[in-house]
Amino acid sequence: GIQVEQSPPDLILQEGANSTLRCNFSDSVNNLQWFHQNPWGQLINLFYIPSGTKQNGRLSATTVATERYSLLYISSSQTTDSGVYFCAVPTYSWSGTYKYIFGTGTRLKVLA
Amino acid sequence: GAGVSQTPSNKVTEKGKYVELRCDPISGHTALYWYRQSLGQGPEFLIYFQGTGAADDSGLPNDRFFAVRPEGSVSTLKIQRTERGDSAVYLCASSSRPRDSNSPLHFGNGTRLTVT
Repeated sequence: GIQVEQSPPDLILQEGANSTLRCNFSDSVNNLQWFHQNPWGQLINLFYIPSGTKQNGRLSATTVATERYSLLYISSSQTTDSGVYFCAVPTYSWSGTYKYIFGTGTRLKVLA
Repeated sequence: GAGVSQTPSNKVTEKGKYVELRCDPISGHTALYWYRQSLGQGPEFLIYFQGTGAADDSGLPNDRFFAVRPEGSVSTLKIQRTERGDSAVYLCASSSRPRDSNSPLHFGNGTRLTVT
């Protein structure tokens, strides 16, 4: 099955710093989602980004599907950005299966 | 409208007992997923419903786990003869048209299951 790897596994930033998180996947996909899991465990969808670039405030994401990777950029980080960031890609079959496989996550801690 | 709702938020049970976890998806969402997340890990796929039928249950770890979605809306994940290794956060997600573009997953807050 498809493999999804994220890097770095852990990241500590000072408030105000910028960062780039990476997601590599082993097979062709037709969409990709980025999620933020806050310290209370809630998973929030950040981007639905099969290709190209999207921006939402201080966050932006780029997916290069032909090269099988996606990047999540966080600019001017804030303590509320702390948590775990996951990417997820779908696998699908002729029988109707359409399930998302999650990466291993990047654990981000932003220090005040 | 309301998001994905999961109940209970926490469940503590004794080894060997039976538990049911409930998920109420976003109204109109035909696709429903169950995932399990252990400490320090990413969500692990369990089962996917499209409408009332389980389109893919390949992630269920063994026959102690079963899920239903009888009317194509609310789903119940059932675990028989619970074991300590079943302790995890069980997450439910729904989606409107999973194969279509711009149809993101929406997750509930999860049920934290602890088996003592």
